[in-house]
Amino acid sequence: RKEVEQDPGPFNVPEGATVAFNCTYSNSASQSFFWYRQDCRKEPKLLMSVYSSGNEDGRFTAQLNRASQYISLLIRDSKLSDSATYLCVLSGGKLIFGQGTELSVKP
Amino acid sequence: GAVVSQHPSRVICKSGTSVKIECRSLDFQATTMFWYRQFPKQSLMLMATSNEGSKATYEQGVEKDKFLINHASLTLSTLTVTSAHPEDSSFYICSAPQGSNSPLHFGNGTRLTVT
Repeated sequence: RKEVEQDPGPFNVPEGATVAFNCTYSNSASQSFFWYRQDCRKEPKLLMSVYSSGNEDGRFTAQLNRASQYISLLIRDSKLSDSATYLCVLSGGKLIFGQGTELSVKP
Repeated sequence: GAVVSQHPSRVICKSGTSVKIECRSLDFQATTMFWYRQFPKQSLMLMATSNEGSKATYEQGVEKDKFLINHASLTLSTLTVTSAHPEDSSFYICSAPQGSNSPLHFGNGTRLTVT
């Protein structure tokens, strides 16, 4: 089983839609969790950290479920500029990256 | 603004030549830097951890004699791809944590094409 698994997508959604990504992990000792965004042919950029109690940043909401070993990212009111690949990242000594989920927001 | 600077952003070289990639932390000191490689449609794969003042730690399957890492100072790490081959063509990205338990800041990446 991979250490981090994500649905690669692509997710094709219209502007204004709500879209959710899940990410499962196998190492229960993972300590920190992040969502990064990567645009085509660019470096990843931190979108948000994921806290146990869940956290929100504008249109983005992140959740962590340690019992089931998954994290999620919810994007509300999708914008065209949200089109990118979203990477689930875990830290437990070193960072482990998921394959990424591709999102395409259409007009 | 960028906190980690990587140079060059793009390089094309011939087989058999060596390529050096620089990674600098801006406005902070990084005793540790990480080097990743990413092939198209794949996740970032950690190649090695660069440690200032000591030898780099390489991940399993990464040849240390081919991918030379030098952490020359608290703000600079270099990765040299020696005797490059077309299969080394990839996107190489460095990163550095700005503090303990903080998320990584990434350089803008280097797209290497070996012809």
